[in-house]
This record gives sequence, C-alpha cells and structure tokens, in this order.
Amino acid sequence: QSVLTQPPSASATPGQRVTISCAGSRSNIGSNPVNWYQQLPGAAPKLLIYSNHQRPSGVHDRFSASKLGTSASLAISELQSEDEADYYCAAWDDSLGGFYVFGSGTTVTVL
Amino acid sequence: QVQLMQSGSEVKKPGASVKVSCKASGYKFTNFGISWVRQAPGQGLEWMGWIAPDNTYRKSSQKVQGRLTVTSDTLTNTAYMELRSLRSDDTAVYFCARTGVTGEDWFDPWGQGTLVTVSS
Repeated sequence: QSVLTQPPSASATPGQRVTISCAGSRSNIGSNPVNWYQQLPGAAPKLLIYSNHQRPSGVHDRFSASKLGTSASLAISELQSEDEADYYCAAWDDSLGGFYVFGSGTTVTVL
Repeated sequence: QVQLMQSGSEVKKPGASVKVSCKASGYKFTNFGISWVRQAPGQGLEWMGWIAPDNTYRKSSQKVQGRLTVTSDTLTNTAYMELRSLRSDDTAVYFCARTGVTGEDWFDPWGQGTLVTVSS
C-alpha cells in the first residue's frame, strides 16, 4: 500500500483536460517538494515535473502541477494520444529515518 | 548527453544474490547520487535505496534493509545494487536513476531497467 494516494485511472477525449490528484501527509508532501513521473508503456519512467511545479527542459507546457498542504495535483491540458501512460507522484518522506515514496500510480487513457 | 546504462537481464534461484550495474556518462559522476527503484510485474514503483556520489552515505528502504547493498565506483562512474537472499516477490524490473547529493531530490534521468527473475 503506497503512502501517497492517487486515483487508479483517469480518462478524457483528445483535446480535453485531465487532472490527477496525489494525497499524502505532513511527513512527505507536507514537508518536501513533489515530483511527477510519466511512464509510457514498456519504457522507463521519465521526470515530468520537479519541485512541485517546475518543468524540465523538453516537457511540454500542457503539463502543469501544483501543491497545497499535504496534497498535489497534475493537470494535462489539450490531451493527446501520446499522453496515454502511467503517472506517478513522489516525494521524500521524513519519517522512519527518511525514505522516498511514490504514489500508487494513475493510468491515463485517451478515449 | 546524460545517460545511465544498466546491465542485462538476470535469472536467479530463490536464496541467491543478484548484482546490477549502472554506468553513468555525460555528467560529473561525483556531483550526483544514484537511487534504485524497482517495479514488480504490473505494479507501481518502489524506492529501494540511494547512495551518495562519494560513497560516504547511503540509505535503503525498510523493506529490503539487511538484504540490499548499494555501492559506487567513482573510477568507472558505475553504481551497483546487490540484493541477497532473493525471493519470488523480488522478481521485478530494477531501475537506477540519477538524483541529488542527499537522495531527497527528483530522479532524472533513469536507466533503461534490468529485469531480474527469481524462479526455481
């Protein structure tokens, strides 16, 4: 059972917007930056968002993220077929001596 | 470009050990740490551990603590992950990823992954 809770799935038609939530606690999201990863089918994960809302070079501005308290969210606007993937939120957790924790993952389907 | 290249797939029997390598290129190896993450078939991502760039500090998850050793060789720019006393539920794809000097930062980039199958 993951420490960070995400909905198992999300879907929308091309061109629409989809939002993924990530619920944590004071020891992880409440205390540390949130990062988001995209994993295309059969591929290694890729950094999508770092430090709550920063996009690495090369990541389209259709991807945006925010954090409030112990929760975070990722939004994908103008959804495209190539956005079909698994998305994971993640953060450092200060409890139990410290460890990195991933969300349970959300599969985005483009209808 | 920054790249992490991992060793090939492994098949091991229960109780055995496996050692996976992760060779870094395209950046100054001693400026970044390396984290290890695994993904069981059809499952999500699970953090396993992290090693500081100069081998001075490391952390591992409670789940694998005692069975996991992470090391790095600054002469060859290669990090290693060794998991002992393998069980069937250790079957997974193992990824290395570059991270910050404290292990608390984001992971970028990731290696291509190494499939480890534990089966009798």
